[in-house]
Amino acid sequence: DTEVTQTPKHLVMGMTNKKSLKCEQHMGHRAMYWYKQKAKKPPELMFVYSYEKLSINESVPSRFSPECPNSSLLNLHLHALQPEDSALYLCASSLTDSETQYFGPGTRLLVL
Amino acid sequence: EDQVTQSPEALRLQEGESSSLNCSYTVSGLRGLFWYRQDPGKGPEFLFTLYSAGEEKEKERLKATLTKKESFLHITAPKPEDSATYLCAVQGSSGNTGKLIFGQGTTLQVKP
Repeated sequence: DTEVTQTPKHLVMGMTNKKSLKCEQHMGHRAMYWYKQKAKKPPELMFVYSYEKLSINESVPSRFSPECPNSSLLNLHLHALQPEDSALYLCASSLTDSETQYFGPGTRLLVL
Repeated sequence: EDQVTQSPEALRLQEGESSSLNCSYTVSGLRGLFWYRQDPGKGPEFLFTLYSAGEEKEKERLKATLTKKESFLHITAPKPEDSATYLCAVQGSSGNTGKLIFGQGTTLQVKP
């Protein structure tokens, strides 16, 4: 089983809202990732967690705040987003941070 | 600097018309080359991981090959359900472990 689940599937939020995206995997993977994908572009890496510690932050604005409560869960907290942050947000996981990454279905975010 | 270039950007085939997608890469120490399939609005679906030149992997109508400079995704007798965007990504041994460098993708349309 190579399933990564993400909730919600769709999210609409105003620029003053606070919301969270959730990602879960039960494959025993120890690396988890957040990506942002705009239309007709490849995924862009945002954050990497390895063994529940943040190992990569690709200079993402502070209005995006990741959290890894345990080895199976990854959250992305959103606050004061801009319309240009509207995108498909993808979570991925891998056995370690040098192994094949498996992606979830994504959360489609619209910021009004 | 690690770089991935995919060609062509778009490809239209008739059902049953075999073809190949190209992924050229420049990387300092290849850890792995990855092929994904992505349907519109969904997360990338893992297809293959290749680690060293000369390696080949097959799955149904797809076959991936790897040389020191490029990878090919061969599609034999494609069907309309093979229509999707195919993404190639590499992970190098220098820089941040866990970071995938993606190409821009090849959008394949197979007409019945």
